[in-house]
Amino acid sequence: EPEVTQTPSHQVTQMGQEVILRCVPISNHLYFYWYRQILGQKVEFLVSFYNNEISEKSEIFDDQFSVERPDGSNFTLKIRSTKLEDSAMYFCASNPGRYTEAFFGQGTRLTVV
Amino acid sequence: AQSVTQLDSQVPVFEEAPVELRCNYSSSVSVYLFWYVQYPNQGLQLLLKYLSGSTLVESINGFEAEFNKSQTSFHLRKPSVHISDTAEYFCAVSDGVYGGSQGNLIFGKGTKLSVKP
Repeated sequence: EPEVTQTPSHQVTQMGQEVILRCVPISNHLYFYWYRQILGQKVEFLVSFYNNEISEKSEIFDDQFSVERPDGSNFTLKIRSTKLEDSAMYFCASNPGRYTEAFFGQGTRLTVV
Repeated sequence: AQSVTQLDSQVPVFEEAPVELRCNYSSSVSVYLFWYVQYPNQGLQLLLKYLSGSTLVESINGFEAEFNKSQTSFHLRKPSVHISDTAEYFCAVSDGVYGGSQGNLIFGKGTKLSVKP
């Protein structure tokens, strides 16, 4: 069964460093998303991406964040200068069309030290 | 703005007992509703969804949820739980109306279901 894959599963980075989280959405999907879940808190929407551009972003998704679909398969989330409060589980998701449910990856646990 | 309220942060139950996990939402437009489950150290998995049609939706592992528009609720129920149902359950809503899609989800804070033998 096709699935969304995320790498790495766990990343530790020093405060102030840039980090790139990688996702491979399901191949025929058109909409892509990033969510995060700070430990013990709810899952929060960050950004959605369609037709090679951001379609919606939350207030969390500030100038430190960017997304890119560099080729036909990968979808990346970049955090330019990480802060301690960026420590969270980051989930990538995708769906094939507008009126279908999203499929989530297993997540990348980012720890900023 | 949309929001989702899950009233219970933790629900402990004994095996084979019935359970109801409550979810209420607020939205001024038509909504699409989802329950996701997160097993320990795993990602989010879709449990069931309401997009349109019958207000009672079922999952393959015995859970069901009923969309109640008048009460703005989408409670999750199972008549008899198993140890393996121990997980965190998230209710989510999207409208997919204002240029977004079903993936633009607003999640509740989650309910941790703990099934004891």
